[in-house]
Amino acid sequence: DAKTTQPPSMDCAEGRAANLPCNHSTISGNEYVYWYRQIHSQGPQYIIHGLKNNETNEMASLIITEDRKSSTLILPHATLRDTAVYYCIVRVYGGSQGNLIFGKGTKLSVKP
Amino acid sequence: DGGITQSPKYLFRKEGQNVTLSCEQNLNHDAMYWYRQDPGQGLRLIYYSQIVNDFQKGDIAEGYSVSREKKESFPLTVTSAQKNPTAFYLCASSIGTGWNTEAFFGQGTRLTVV
Repeated sequence: DAKTTQPPSMDCAEGRAANLPCNHSTISGNEYVYWYRQIHSQGPQYIIHGLKNNETNEMASLIITEDRKSSTLILPHATLRDTAVYYCIVRVYGGSQGNLIFGKGTKLSVKP
Repeated sequence: DGGITQSPKYLFRKEGQNVTLSCEQNLNHDAMYWYRQDPGQGLRLIYYSQIVNDFQKGDIAEGYSVSREKKESFPLTVTSAQKNPTAFYLCASSIGTGWNTEAFFGQGTRLTVV
């Protein structure tokens, strides 16, 4: 089972910031949080990942709480092309080393 | 351009036939993965390989087989033993399987059993 919990869907107005939450209360000290997105019928696209510090790249920012039990992906100026399913994933260590376990994600709809 | 190529994009198979899905990468990645996605669901791991000539079962390996004879290639065979093969199949690769390495995905193969 996925180790993360995300809302099933969210709406965002075009040009506004999209803030996508994720709970990962059972995360262990050396597990990373990854975010991917999947536009309909395409392969998932890597967005960003982090351990405990906030991270930013050209696509998004990742804010991880101090206790690491939750995080938020921020798309600063959402466009219609950001409409997709967003997956928050904890990179799992164990038998399937480094396996990415995908849950159902959050379906983000950016509206004009 | 570097990347992962899956072919074909759409595939139709008659019930009872085996079919092989291709996945090739030119990223010089050691690790490769196969996932299955059903409508409205997340991805589920079928098989993964950390290095050439080695591969491990994922969560739903029954009815599937793989090989890893070359670093660049990780073909997936859907056998007649797979009871529900109609799905979207995704291949991915990463430099390694460490926790700090992102995976890159191909564009997928949509398999339909007719």
